[in-house]
Amino acid sequence: SAVISQKPSRDICQRGTSLTIQCQVDSQVTMMFWYRQQPGQSLTLIATANQGSEATYESGFVIDKFPISRPNLTFSTLTVSNMSPEDSSIYLCSVPDREGYGYTFGSGTRLTVV
Amino acid sequence: GQNIDQPTEMTATEGAIVQINCTYQTSGFNGLFWYQQHAGEAPTFLSYNVLDGLEEKGRFSSFLSRSKGYSYLLLKELQMKDSASYLCAVRGGSGGYQKVTFGIGTKLQVIP
Repeated sequence: SAVISQKPSRDICQRGTSLTIQCQVDSQVTMMFWYRQQPGQSLTLIATANQGSEATYESGFVIDKFPISRPNLTFSTLTVSNMSPEDSSIYLCSVPDREGYGYTFGSGTRLTVV
Repeated sequence: GQNIDQPTEMTATEGAIVQINCTYQTSGFNGLFWYQQHAGEAPTFLSYNVLDGLEEKGRFSSFLSRSKGYSYLLLKELQMKDSASYLCAVRGGSGGYQKVTFGIGTKLQVIP
């Protein structure tokens, strides 16, 4: 399986500020996925990040709120912009497994907005 | 769109067998996954089914019926450490764009 390093693991942020989350993968992957998991809920896909093109956002998520960068095949960032308490959640990145049929997740970023 | 249903909670006894069911609706079905997620941790991959039938991996087995839009995860010889949430996820989509959608998760409590 791929190994993902996700940073930061947690943060407490002030309302109105922005936080950038990073994911570094130990191998080249075409697609990276960003998910949100709100307390007591399952994972919701925010967007799919492709290298060399704009990210594809799911319904309910917009680029101005969650800008994504994908500068190369091993790295991506997700920014949570102009945060409000409703953005308090766990954010996870994910990539396809090298074996081709599963997905590996980063360790997650636990965000609290106060 | 994709729709996934699974029970929210289950309780089972240590040493017993438990079956967690999942029903789904999707276009362009291309695989069903089960993940285990302990509280405060990231999900970890358990199994993958894309063809009908049973896939066995140690104490864990997963079954798929594509015609019925149905899967189950079977856990045998339950251990206390199996207490976790079990997420059913489906990969599907159309127009060359596929994504993985997760169910709400089944919180399994294993009791002595």
